[in-house]
Amino acid sequence: AQSVTQPDIHITVSEGASLELRCNYSYGATPYLFWYVQSPGQGLQLLLKYFSGDTLVQGIKGFEAEFKRSQSSFNLRKPSVHWSDAAEYFCAVDNTGFQKLVFGTGTRLLVSP
Amino acid sequence: GAGVSQTPSNKVTEKGKYVELRCDPISGHTALYWYRQSLGQGPEFLIYFQGTGAADDSGLPNDRFFAVRPEGSVSTLKIQRTERGDSAVYLCASSMGLTDTQYFGPGTRLTVL
Repeated sequence: AQSVTQPDIHITVSEGASLELRCNYSYGATPYLFWYVQSPGQGLQLLLKYFSGDTLVQGIKGFEAEFKRSQSSFNLRKPSVHWSDAAEYFCAVDNTGFQKLVFGTGTRLLVSP
Repeated sequence: GAGVSQTPSNKVTEKGKYVELRCDPISGHTALYWYRQSLGQGPEFLIYFQGTGAADDSGLPNDRFFAVRPEGSVSTLKIQRTERGDSAVYLCASSMGLTDTQYFGPGTRLTVL
């Protein structure tokens, strides 16, 4: 079955340290790939997306993600985490072309002082 | 400009009752999506509208769920004979087109007692 896996339920990172959130998908072909962030009391916000082309994608708030076809992965990274980055992060995929998104279960990021 | 708005923000109802959840998309957005997010899970696709018509309703769990978008703007998700398992946050999103960024609303938290 097609699926999106975010293996880390929680991650704690010290402020200023680097971050990598993992995402793996299981689809027959390369789907469109997305990362969203959900902060308490706020709606989901798109950080970045990959449709085709350069496999390293830059997003908002200093985030980037790298698509690796051989590993079916689309990991999210940030070189230096700020306390305001504490939130829930969702990886999502679409293989329909009209953004019928399939989300992973999310990774909750905690930022320690 | 204004984002996607959803009303009510919270809805508490009793098992067996009928509820309506409203979504006001961003003005000019032709695509509108409904998702459901259960506790500890990522959002799950319910239905997608392009204009007034439901282009894909494959995510609706059963025939108790129905959604309309009569004038191609505001959408209403209707749930008949609510069950405790319907308790979740219902999210609405809109986009200008099929490949454009989806903007999510803050959601309606539905609690069925």
